[in-house]
Amino acid sequence: NAGVMQNPRHLVRRRGQEARLRCSPMKGHSHVYWYRQLPEEGLKFMVYLQKENIIDESGMPKERFSAEFPKEGPSILRIQQVVRGDSAAYFCASSPGQGMTGANVLTFGAGSRLTVL
Amino acid sequence: QKEVEQNSGPLSVPEGAIASLNCTYSDRGSQSFFWYRQYSGKSPELIMSIYSNGDKEDGRFTAQLNKASQYVSLLIRDSQPSDSATYLCAYFKGPAGGTSYGKLTFGQGTILTVHP
Repeated sequence: NAGVMQNPRHLVRRRGQEARLRCSPMKGHSHVYWYRQLPEEGLKFMVYLQKENIIDESGMPKERFSAEFPKEGPSILRIQQVVRGDSAAYFCASSPGQGMTGANVLTFGAGSRLTVL
Repeated sequence: QKEVEQNSGPLSVPEGAIASLNCTYSDRGSQSFFWYRQYSGKSPELIMSIYSNGDKEDGRFTAQLNKASQYVSLLIRDSQPSDSATYLCAYFKGPAGGTSYGKLTFGQGTILTVHP
């Protein structure tokens, strides 16, 4: 009974490179959320998605960041031309779909920790 | 005004005492409230959800919700050193009961330390 799976757990990139973070939701969950946590800060919402559809991306920076959740495969958070300020823990969470009990109860993955040198 | 504000920490209590964590929120449309616990370097895990005014108890944890005052709290009785963590308050703006989806908005967290 695998939970929310994220990889890589740790990622080091140099300024200007691209970072790709992957997330597979829990079995039976159709919604994926991405949150960012800077050191000593709370969780900041970035985006949430259904399969092939972005529901709310109000927390995503306008440039360099994008997210997708294709029909097949994991959700991907992509950060282009990374800068030092992108260094953070990126958490993915999933939940059941609309009408399902617990639809707004998020289960989190272990997180991907990005370090930009 | 922040959407969710938690009492500033860190909070330190002796083992066996009651730890009280507080949270206020600004959106009166909020209907569902959650407390998550996050150990250092780990991911958040759900402790409690509460949808109705009043108290909800689960073991040593009691969540209290007062929608008129836009206030939600978490009490931890008989605090243990293993309770030392950051506690995150979160809310969901949508129908209560948890069948509608949407984003959770989190507070900045309160660090709790329980010392032996």
